[in-house]
Amino acid sequence: GAGVSQSPRYKVAKRGQDVALRCDPISGHVSLFWYQQALGQGPEFLTYFQNEAQLDKSGLPSDRFFAERPEGSVSTLKIQRTQQEDSAVYLCASSLGPRTSYEQYFGPGTRLTVT
Amino acid sequence: AQSVTQLDSQVPVFEEAPVELRCNYSSSVSVYLFWYVQYPNQGLQLLLKYLSGSTLVKGINGFEAEFNKSQTSFHLRKPSVHISDTAEYFCAVSDLMNYGGSQGNLIFGKGTKLSVKP
Repeated sequence: GAGVSQSPRYKVAKRGQDVALRCDPISGHVSLFWYQQALGQGPEFLTYFQNEAQLDKSGLPSDRFFAERPEGSVSTLKIQRTQQEDSAVYLCASSLGPRTSYEQYFGPGTRLTVT
Repeated sequence: AQSVTQLDSQVPVFEEAPVELRCNYSSSVSVYLFWYVQYPNQGLQLLLKYLSGSTLVKGINGFEAEFNKSQTSFHLRKPSVHISDTAEYFCAVSDLMNYGGSQGNLIFGKGTKLSVKP
């Protein structure tokens, strides 16, 4: 079956532009995570959804970052007024549900470059 | 707070040689432990995980890891590497307390780049 997909795969934005990154999780997966992976670093947690509810957004670096999952499937990570420090790969992961959140399936990521 | 330390940022090795990628973690509670592999321009793929039970865990592609609670380590090993094992490897932990609740987000180390040379 299809895995986690993300689009676009690559995004170049000028500083100050808004961007929207999309994640299509595996069908039926309740839990959805966003991670940010800076160059040369491991992924860092941004936010977590259980169905449409955003239960944890403690990892979002600033109020310019906003995530939603309105129907409990597709999720969008939006970054307003992008800054150079936002340049990173943004990874989405999904899992069946909270009891199996350790079994996360990752998408290929979106590489964001802010110029 | 939990943290993960991968002691080697880069590990060069010749094909068919054994390899060990080191990982240490710190946590005040019991954790689940994972190793992921990331090939260039791809997402993370789970190699293996330790949840409970036997401390020696076998994963895909001939990799195995051993959980050592007293040393808070979870080192990854392969007895004979192939060129195709060239990739970046990430060790990660998940807080059991959070897992029992509503979450289970992973905390990753900075990664180890394994370079297998012919």
